[in-house]
Amino acid sequence: QKEVEQNSGPLSVPEGAIASLNCTYSDRVSQSFFWYRQYSGKSPELIMSIYSNGDKEDGRFTAQLNKASQYVSLLIRDSQPSDSATYLCAVKEGNNRLAFGKGNQVVVIP
Amino acid sequence: DVKVTQSSRYLVKRTGEKVFLECVQDMDHENMFWYRQDPGLGLRLIYFSYDVKMKEKGDIPEGYSVSREKKERFSLILESASTNQTSMYLCASRVAGVDNEQFFGPGTRLTVL
Repeated sequence: QKEVEQNSGPLSVPEGAIASLNCTYSDRVSQSFFWYRQYSGKSPELIMSIYSNGDKEDGRFTAQLNKASQYVSLLIRDSQPSDSATYLCAVKEGNNRLAFGKGNQVVVIP
Repeated sequence: DVKVTQSSRYLVKRTGEKVFLECVQDMDHENMFWYRQDPGLGLRLIYFSYDVKMKEKGDIPEGYSVSREKKERFSLILESASTNQTSMYLCASRVAGVDNEQFFGPGTRLTVL
């Protein structure tokens, strides 16, 4: 399995601030990237997908992809307490399966 | 809405028992997956299936087997449960294709005593 790294520890941000999450991947040929959100005790749900270099915005979420540097990031603007969750980075491998990072916990402090 | 259901939310079994975890999806998805999720280890793929009667080993297939006799149902079997198989088990499904969304079931928290 190719590696997907999410190295930062838990992230605490004040309400209204920007939360920034990073993810690096090892497979240079990967073309599809996803961010999943997982609330405590719940299953992951897809919040963003990105396939091309650059930024993709969806509401308060922005995904950024840089294939040359092999990283993908997620920005959460105007963070809300409801954004408190674990965020999983996923990369599609050549055999059509997803490789997941271990996740980053985000805590938004009111 | 796509719905992926799993037979149990919580399950307690004894060491050595044969355990069946069932997953059913109602959207005619070709691809189905079984993961386990453990603190600090993230989501790890156990087995997946591209279509009926097809199965592929994931990253940690040891101690598990699967069955896909019908398109909507993907079963995970623990042949002889062990305590190190205590975990959260998540099923997922996806339409075959390049970049379709993968949908997860609610999970089964399995405890092996």
